[in-house]
Amino acid sequence: DIQMTQSPSTLSASIGDRVSITCRASQSITYSLAWYQQKPGKAPNLLIHTASTLESGVPSRFSGSGSGTEFTLTISSLQPDDFATYYCHGYKSYPGTFGQGTKLEIK
Amino acid sequence: EVQLVQSGAEVKKPGQSLKISCKGSGYSFDTHWIGWVRQMPGKGLEWMGIIYPRDSDTKYSPSFEGQVTISADKSISIAYLQWSSLKSSDTAMYYCARRRASSGGMDVWGQGTAVTVSS
Repeated sequence: DIQMTQSPSTLSASIGDRVSITCRASQSITYSLAWYQQKPGKAPNLLIHTASTLESGVPSRFSGSGSGTEFTLTISSLQPDDFATYYCHGYKSYPGTFGQGTKLEIK
Repeated sequence: EVQLVQSGAEVKKPGQSLKISCKGSGYSFDTHWIGWVRQMPGKGLEWMGIIYPRDSDTKYSPSFEGQVTISADKSISIAYLQWSSLKSSDTAMYYCARRRASSGGMDVWGQGTAVTVSS
């Protein structure tokens, strides 16, 4: 079973900051990595798939990079709507594995 | 509009059975994998399993194999998640989600079904 390790678990930042979240896979998943945003009481929302492809409708301040075992989600300039929990999802093997989540808080 | 609509909240007692549903609309239901995800109160997302409605090929996460059953009826565009004997530890929110056809990532999510198991 492939394990996904996400860091940090909590991130405090201010409006306008550039922030990054890292996800590491226990073995290579090539580019089979997605990122989701989840707000309290809501279902997750797909932001990025195939490691770096922005889902339609997602603001361009979100970007993804990486391949193999190490991946990064970057938000270039934090907006008030971005404070939420973020999850990575490795899907090279079915059904896939989520990272533990990163809660992005207002500093 | 492409959407997944899940059945309503459930309150059950330990040992009871339960089947919750996820109805797809606005797209070809049988050509997209549908996955189920558990989220326990205050916790992260956990993959339970995934099914391909066209042929009912199903894959379970090791933690959930034998604990739940995932099925689908492509004729009515519904996927199901069922338990034969609930435990209090099954109390959680359950989401269904559609896997993108051409590459991975779950692009459409149901609204979630809250399951409470309490004596």
